[in-house]
Amino acid sequence: GNSVTQMEGPVTLSEEAFLTINCTYTATGYPSLFWYVQYPGEGLQLLLKATKADDKGSNKGFEATYRKETTSFHLEKGSVQVSDSAVYFCALSYNQFYFGTGTSLTVIP
Amino acid sequence: DSGVTQTPKHLITATGQRVTLRCSPRSGDLSVYWYQQSLDQGLQFLIQYYNGEERAKGNILERFSAQQFPDLHSELNLSSLELGDSALYFCASRGEGGGDNSPLHFGNGTRLTVT
Repeated sequence: GNSVTQMEGPVTLSEEAFLTINCTYTATGYPSLFWYVQYPGEGLQLLLKATKADDKGSNKGFEATYRKETTSFHLEKGSVQVSDSAVYFCALSYNQFYFGTGTSLTVIP
Repeated sequence: DSGVTQTPKHLITATGQRVTLRCSPRSGDLSVYWYQQSLDQGLQFLIQYYNGEERAKGNILERFSAQQFPDLHSELNLSSLELGDSALYFCASRGEGGGDNSPLHFGNGTRLTVT
């Protein structure tokens, strides 16, 4: 079947640190991959997406590369800010949407 | 602003009661999805409608039902409420033009508290 596995949280980083949130997937076909972000008290917002192997999605300094060989879509940011504190969800779309369990990130000044 | 509107934002009710949550999708989107988010169970897919017809069903309890109307807005009905139904309920819509490439667009949710 189709599923998404995200690294367990919570993750706490100092401002300007490097961020990686791991995401791997299992799919019966060739899915599209997404990262969503949820700020406190809000709904999920699309952060970035990639629709085929080797595509790189990027937005607001965040990047993720669709790696078919390792079935991964890890989220990275070179220098996090306090305002990046949120919950991050990895997701795939293949006929239906499948979400990971979310990773909570807290960035401290 | 995602363009998806959910009402009400907050709802407090007692066990055994029935409530209705409402969702207006983005203009032009035919698909509506409902999700439940609780602290211990993450984001759970409940049900999807496409242009008025049920398209897919997830972990939706028999006490819950939904429908999508001709104007494409959707309602989620929760009945015989239990304390464990307290959660955030999200609606999302999706344009179908891009197939699997099309993202979901989420509303800000309805926070349901059952006392």
